[in-house]
Amino acid sequence: SYVLTQPPSVSVAPGKTASIACGGNNIGSESVHWYQQKPGQAPVLVIQHDSDRPSGIPERFSGSNSGNTATLTISRVEAGDEADYYCQVWDRSSDHYVFGPGTKVTVL
Amino acid sequence: QLQMRESGPQVLKPSETLSLTCTVSGGSISSSSHFWGWIRQPPGKGLEWIGSIDYSGTTYYNPSLKSRITIFADTARNEFALKMSSVTAADTSFFYCVRHTNTRNDGFAMWGQGTVVTVSS
Repeated sequence: SYVLTQPPSVSVAPGKTASIACGGNNIGSESVHWYQQKPGQAPVLVIQHDSDRPSGIPERFSGSNSGNTATLTISRVEAGDEADYYCQVWDRSSDHYVFGPGTKVTVL
Repeated sequence: QLQMRESGPQVLKPSETLSLTCTVSGGSISSSSHFWGWIRQPPGKGLEWIGSIDYSGTTYYNPSLKSRITIFADTARNEFALKMSSVTAADTSFFYCVRHTNTRNDGFAMWGQGTVVTVSS
């Protein structure tokens, strides 16, 4: 089945930019979604279809997808952005949904 | 506004069958536009899609869990449910019910608050 990779952790200073990579074989041909999960809460969809922000998600969140890497970018990072972030795709070959292992974003 | 709430026993013994229900309000599970599914997350670990059901009752399961799970819907109660047989400690998880569209490559836009299930002897 399709495997997604993510770095375990990313650290970023307030006001700076955080980039979280999601790797997969030719992931650029897939539609990638990103979720933010804060402690004790359910995940929230922050980016869908590579780069589309659902209603209510700040413009500081953006996404891109090309080749073997999709990227979630958080600009002007705030303390409230500290969370786990997961990428996800639909694996059409086995007809099921796959999540990456998650990246913990720490705001210094 | 759509709301989903998971309910069910919070503690099970190994080999028992897990049964969870997701009660939906503010929307109909008979909608042909949506799937209704389950995702789990072991404490401190990542997310795993379990399976989903559509308005017609057609189910889609994670191949790694397919032999142990059943998802079914009760349209009269506007609920859908998950049964997972022969649980072990490895099945201890937070369980979330979710709604997603019938476009297979869309994301999971709506989540319940989640419920924790612990498997322990």
